[in-house]
Amino acid sequence: SQQGEEDPQALSIQEGENATMNCSYKTSINNLQWYRQNSGRGLVHLILIRSNEREKHSGRLRVTLDTSKKSSSLLITASRAADTASYFCARSNYQLIWGAGTKLIIKP
Amino acid sequence: NAGVTQTPKFQVLKTGQSMTLQCAQDMNHNSMYWYRQDPGMGLRLIYYSASEGTTDKGEVPNGYNVSRLNKREFSLRLESAAPSQTSVYFCASSEPGTGNISPLHFGNGTRLTVT
Repeated sequence: SQQGEEDPQALSIQEGENATMNCSYKTSINNLQWYRQNSGRGLVHLILIRSNEREKHSGRLRVTLDTSKKSSSLLITASRAADTASYFCARSNYQLIWGAGTKLIIKP
Repeated sequence: NAGVTQTPKFQVLKTGQSMTLQCAQDMNHNSMYWYRQDPGMGLRLIYYSASEGTTDKGEVPNGYNVSRLNKREFSLRLESAAPSQTSVYFCASSEPGTGNISPLHFGNGTRLTVT
Protein backbone atom coordinates (compact mmCIF):
# COMPACT_ATOMS: atom_id res chain seq x y z
CA SER A 1 0.00 0.00 0.00
CA GLN A 2 1.16 3.54 -0.72
CA GLN A 3 -0.88 4.88 2.15
CA GLY A 4 0.69 6.56 5.11
CA GLU A 5 0.22 4.48 8.19
CA GLU A 6 -0.62 6.07 11.51
CA ASP A 7 -0.11 4.48 14.85
CA PRO A 8 -1.57 3.95 17.25
CA GLN A 9 -5.00 3.40 15.72
CA ALA A 10 -6.52 4.66 18.97
CA LEU A 11 -5.17 6.54 21.96
CA SER A 12 -6.90 7.43 25.22
CA ILE A 13 -5.18 9.73 27.73
CA GLN A 14 -6.01 11.97 30.65
CA GLU A 15 -6.55 15.66 30.14
CA GLY A 16 -3.29 17.51 30.63
CA GLU A 17 -1.10 14.68 29.36
CA ASN A 18 0.80 14.80 26.08
CA ALA A 19 -0.37 12.80 23.07
CA THR A 20 1.97 11.49 20.39
CA MET A 21 0.86 10.06 17.09
CA ASN A 22 3.12 8.62 14.43
CA CYS A 23 2.92 8.37 10.68
CA SER A 24 5.09 6.23 8.41
CA TYR A 25 5.24 6.17 4.64
CA LYS A 26 6.98 4.22 1.93
CA THR A 27 7.97 6.53 -0.91
CA SER A 28 9.52 9.97 -1.23
CA ILE A 29 7.48 13.05 -0.39
CA ASN A 30 7.40 16.77 -1.10
CA ASN A 31 5.62 17.52 2.12
CA LEU A 32 3.57 15.85 4.81
CA GLN A 33 0.42 17.30 6.28
CA TRP A 34 -1.53 16.64 9.45
CA TYR A 35 -5.27 17.11 9.74
CA ARG A 36 -7.83 16.85 12.52
CA GLN A 37 -11.38 15.56 12.13
CA ASN A 38 -13.98 16.09 14.80
CA SER A 39 -16.85 13.61 14.85
CA GLY A 40 -19.29 14.25 12.02
CA ARG A 41 -17.27 17.09 10.53
CA GLY A 42 -14.84 17.71 7.73
CA LEU A 43 -11.08 17.60 8.13
CA VAL A 44 -9.21 20.66 9.27
CA HIS A 45 -5.61 21.32 8.26
CA LEU A 46 -3.19 21.58 11.20
CA ILE A 47 0.40 21.69 9.96
CA LEU A 48 2.32 21.20 6.72
CA ILE A 49 5.98 20.21 7.00
CA ARG A 50 8.19 20.22 3.92
CA SER A 51 10.62 17.46 3.12
CA ASN A 52 13.60 19.72 3.92
CA GLU A 53 12.25 20.64 7.35
CA ARG A 54 12.75 18.59 10.50
CA GLU A 55 10.41 20.21 13.00
CA LYS A 56 7.51 22.63 13.05
CA HIS A 57 5.43 24.14 15.83
CA SER A 58 1.97 25.62 15.98
CA GLY A 59 0.68 26.47 19.44
CA ARG A 60 0.51 23.21 21.41
CA LEU A 61 1.29 21.16 18.31
CA ARG A 62 4.75 19.97 17.35
CA VAL A 63 5.43 17.99 14.20
CA THR A 64 8.69 16.26 13.38
CA LEU A 65 9.79 14.69 10.13
CA ASP A 66 12.55 12.13 9.64
CA THR A 67 12.93 11.49 5.94
CA SER A 68 15.64 8.87 6.48
CA LYS A 69 13.16 6.78 8.48
CA LYS A 70 10.21 7.89 6.36
CA SER A 71 8.24 8.84 9.44
CA SER A 72 6.61 11.82 11.10
CA SER A 73 5.14 12.42 14.52
CA LEU A 74 2.51 14.80 15.86
CA LEU A 75 2.80 15.80 19.50
CA ILE A 76 -0.04 17.56 21.28
CA THR A 77 1.10 18.99 24.59
CA ALA A 78 -1.10 19.66 27.62
CA SER A 79 -4.10 17.95 25.99
CA ARG A 80 -7.63 19.27 26.44
CA ALA A 81 -11.03 17.63 26.07
CA ALA A 82 -11.50 19.64 22.87
CA ASP A 83 -8.53 17.78 21.32
CA THR A 84 -10.70 14.63 21.17
CA ALA A 85 -10.79 13.87 17.45
CA SER A 86 -9.27 11.72 14.75
CA TYR A 87 -5.91 12.81 13.39
CA PHE A 88 -4.73 12.01 9.89
CA CYS A 89 -1.43 12.35 8.12
CA ALA A 90 -1.32 12.86 4.38
CA ARG A 91 1.86 12.67 2.40
CA SER A 92 2.23 14.74 -0.72
CA ASN A 93 4.00 13.87 -3.92
CA TYR A 94 1.81 15.45 -6.63
CA GLN A 95 -1.17 13.80 -4.94
CA LEU A 96 -2.12 13.41 -1.31
CA ILE A 97 -2.02 9.88 0.09
CA TRP A 98 -3.93 9.50 3.35
CA GLY A 99 -3.44 7.24 6.32
CA ALA A 100 -6.33 5.62 8.20
CA GLY A 101 -5.97 7.98 11.17
CA THR A 102 -5.48 7.88 14.93
CA LYS A 103 -8.55 8.26 17.11
CA LEU A 104 -7.60 10.35 20.15
CA ILE A 105 -9.80 10.47 23.24
CA ILE A 106 -9.01 12.91 26.03
CA LYS A 107 -10.56 11.87 29.33
CA PRO A 108 -11.52 14.71 31.68
CA ASN B 1 -16.79 32.96 5.67
CA ALA B 2 -18.62 29.89 4.38
CA GLY B 3 -15.50 28.12 3.04
CA VAL B 4 -16.58 24.86 1.36
CA THR B 5 -20.30 24.11 1.38
CA GLN B 6 -21.72 20.68 0.56
CA THR B 7 -25.32 19.70 -0.02
CA PRO B 8 -27.13 17.63 0.97
CA LYS B 9 -25.83 16.64 4.42
CA PHE B 10 -27.61 13.27 4.39
CA GLN B 11 -29.12 11.14 1.64
CA VAL B 12 -30.63 7.68 1.40
CA LEU B 13 -30.91 6.10 -2.04
CA LYS B 14 -32.21 2.82 -3.33
CA THR B 15 -29.95 0.72 -5.53
CA GLY B 16 -30.05 2.03 -9.08
CA GLN B 17 -31.18 5.55 -8.23
CA SER B 18 -29.12 8.54 -9.28
CA MET B 19 -28.18 11.71 -7.48
CA THR B 20 -25.81 14.66 -7.61
CA LEU B 21 -23.78 15.92 -4.69
CA GLN B 22 -23.15 19.63 -4.81
CA CYS B 23 -20.07 21.50 -3.65
CA ALA B 24 -19.23 25.19 -3.72
CA GLN B 25 -16.26 27.14 -2.37
CA ASP B 26 -15.89 30.87 -1.85
CA MET B 27 -12.11 31.06 -1.40
CA ASN B 28 -11.31 31.57 -5.09
CA HIS B 29 -9.34 28.30 -5.13
CA ASN B 30 -8.40 26.78 -8.45
CA SER B 31 -8.29 23.14 -7.35
CA MET B 32 -11.21 21.08 -6.08
CA TYR B 33 -11.51 17.46 -5.01
CA TRP B 34 -14.03 14.76 -4.19
CA TYR B 35 -13.10 12.12 -1.61
CA ARG B 36 -14.91 9.26 0.02
CA GLN B 37 -14.26 8.16 3.58
CA ASP B 38 -15.05 4.65 4.77
CA PRO B 39 -14.63 3.29 8.31
CA GLY B 40 -11.07 2.31 9.15
CA MET B 41 -9.68 3.70 5.92
CA GLY B 42 -8.04 6.90 4.87
CA LEU B 43 -9.62 9.27 2.43
CA ARG B 44 -9.71 8.00 -1.14
CA LEU B 45 -9.72 10.42 -4.03
CA ILE B 46 -12.57 9.96 -6.49
CA TYR B 47 -12.02 12.84 -8.91
CA TYR B 48 -10.25 16.15 -8.86
CA SER B 49 -10.21 19.34 -10.87
CA ALA B 50 -6.91 21.18 -11.02
CA SER B 51 -8.55 24.24 -12.54
CA GLU B 52 -11.80 25.37 -14.09
CA GLY B 53 -12.51 23.34 -17.20
CA THR B 54 -10.39 20.32 -16.27
CA THR B 55 -11.21 17.13 -14.39
CA ASP B 56 -9.16 13.99 -13.75
CA LYS B 57 -9.75 10.59 -12.25
CA GLY B 58 -8.46 9.77 -8.82
CA GLU B 59 -7.97 6.44 -7.10
CA VAL B 60 -11.61 5.23 -7.15
CA PRO B 61 -13.52 6.89 -10.03
CA ASN B 62 -15.70 3.95 -11.14
CA GLY B 63 -19.42 4.62 -10.76
CA TYR B 64 -18.98 8.39 -10.50
CA ASN B 65 -18.92 11.40 -12.80
CA VAL B 66 -18.02 15.01 -12.05
CA SER B 67 -18.65 18.44 -13.46
CA ARG B 68 -16.61 21.56 -12.78
CA LEU B 69 -19.45 23.96 -13.43
CA ASN B 70 -17.36 27.10 -12.83
CA LYS B 71 -14.50 28.10 -10.56
CA ARG B 72 -16.71 27.89 -7.46
CA GLU B 73 -18.69 24.70 -8.05
CA PHE B 74 -17.71 21.05 -8.46
CA SER B 75 -20.45 18.42 -8.47
CA LEU B 76 -20.28 14.63 -8.10
CA ARG B 77 -22.88 12.43 -9.76
CA LEU B 78 -23.81 8.84 -9.06
CA GLU B 79 -25.65 7.58 -12.13
CA SER B 80 -26.77 4.23 -10.71
CA ALA B 81 -26.12 3.95 -7.00
CA ALA B 82 -24.82 0.70 -5.52
CA PRO B 83 -24.57 -0.38 -1.85
CA SER B 84 -20.76 -0.24 -2.19
CA GLN B 85 -21.12 3.51 -2.61
CA THR B 86 -22.46 3.89 0.91
CA SER B 87 -19.93 6.26 2.40
CA VAL B 88 -19.24 9.76 3.60
CA TYR B 89 -18.31 12.05 0.74
CA PHE B 90 -16.11 15.10 1.21
CA CYS B 91 -15.45 17.94 -1.13
CA ALA B 92 -12.26 19.97 -0.70
CA SER B 93 -10.49 22.86 -2.36
CA SER B 94 -6.97 24.23 -2.41
CA GLU B 95 -4.59 26.51 -4.20
CA PRO B 96 -2.64 24.59 -6.84
CA GLY B 97 0.97 23.72 -6.25
CA THR B 98 3.08 21.83 -8.73
CA GLY B 99 4.27 18.65 -7.06
CA ASN B 100 3.53 20.16 -3.69
CA ILE B 101 -0.09 19.94 -2.69
CA SER B 102 -1.27 22.94 -0.72
CA PRO B 103 -3.41 22.48 2.39
CA LEU B 104 -6.94 21.36 1.66
CA HIS B 105 -10.08 23.03 2.94
CA PHE B 106 -12.91 20.56 3.48
CA GLY B 107 -16.67 20.73 3.57
CA ASN B 108 -18.59 18.93 6.32
CA GLY B 109 -19.48 15.96 4.18
CA THR B 110 -22.49 14.18 2.74
CA ARG B 111 -23.49 10.96 4.44
CA LEU B 112 -24.88 8.67 1.75
CA THR B 113 -26.59 5.34 2.37
CA VAL B 114 -27.53 3.10 -0.54
CA THR B 115 -29.99 0.32 0.32
